[in-house]
Amino acid sequence: GAVVSQHPSRVICKSGTSVKIECRSLDFQATTMFWYRQFPKQSLMLMATSNEGSKATYEQGVEKDKFLINHASLTLSTLTVTSAHPEDSSFYICSARDRGKGLHTEAFFGQGTRLTVV
Amino acid sequence: KQEVTQIPAALSVPEGENLVLNCSFTDSAIYNLQWFRQDPGKGLTSLLLIQSSQREQTSGRLNASLDKSSGRSTLYIAASQPGDSATYLCAVPNTGNQFYFGTGTSLTVIP
Repeated sequence: GAVVSQHPSRVICKSGTSVKIECRSLDFQATTMFWYRQFPKQSLMLMATSNEGSKATYEQGVEKDKFLINHASLTLSTLTVTSAHPEDSSFYICSARDRGKGLHTEAFFGQGTRLTVV
Repeated sequence: KQEVTQIPAALSVPEGENLVLNCSFTDSAIYNLQWFRQDPGKGLTSLLLIQSSQREQTSGRLNASLDKSSGRSTLYIAASQPGDSATYLCAVPNTGNQFYFGTGTSLTVIP
């Protein structure tokens, strides 16, 4: 199946700093990528939809100024957690859809990024 | 808004047993349903994708069924192995292919 690579897999940062997470589609082009967050023992919740060449669409309750999303190319989307606080500690995971396939085909996910803010 | 529920939340079985994981969703107007596996601290591995027009899909020891009208899907795992221990998630996409995830079933297969 298609490969989505996410980097880094783990990051520890100090409170108040910013962290950038990358999501790459390795063998396909993705006009749309999705960012999810997962708190311990909870399921994944959609944060935002990243659209290549345009602004991201954020879910209700997600601060767009805190979670900056950039989708500058057909294979890369980045999520930057700005001025991170301990409550931002979570597992962040991205998903990408192959633009060459139908809208509702199989979804592929990255390996996830474990963010710990101390 | 679509709500996806999985039962049971946790399941522990001895090796070799067949088992069934359940997933229900509130809006039956779905395009497809996908089952994933998540190992602790890891990302998602796609197991099976079942389209709305299909009633079941099989891959190896895994079989997923879909009853769209009743809003239910089941994942059947035959002859369970310790390596099957993981959290299993079902998810359905909306029109924009954003996924609504179930709460997951944590499976432990005891050797």
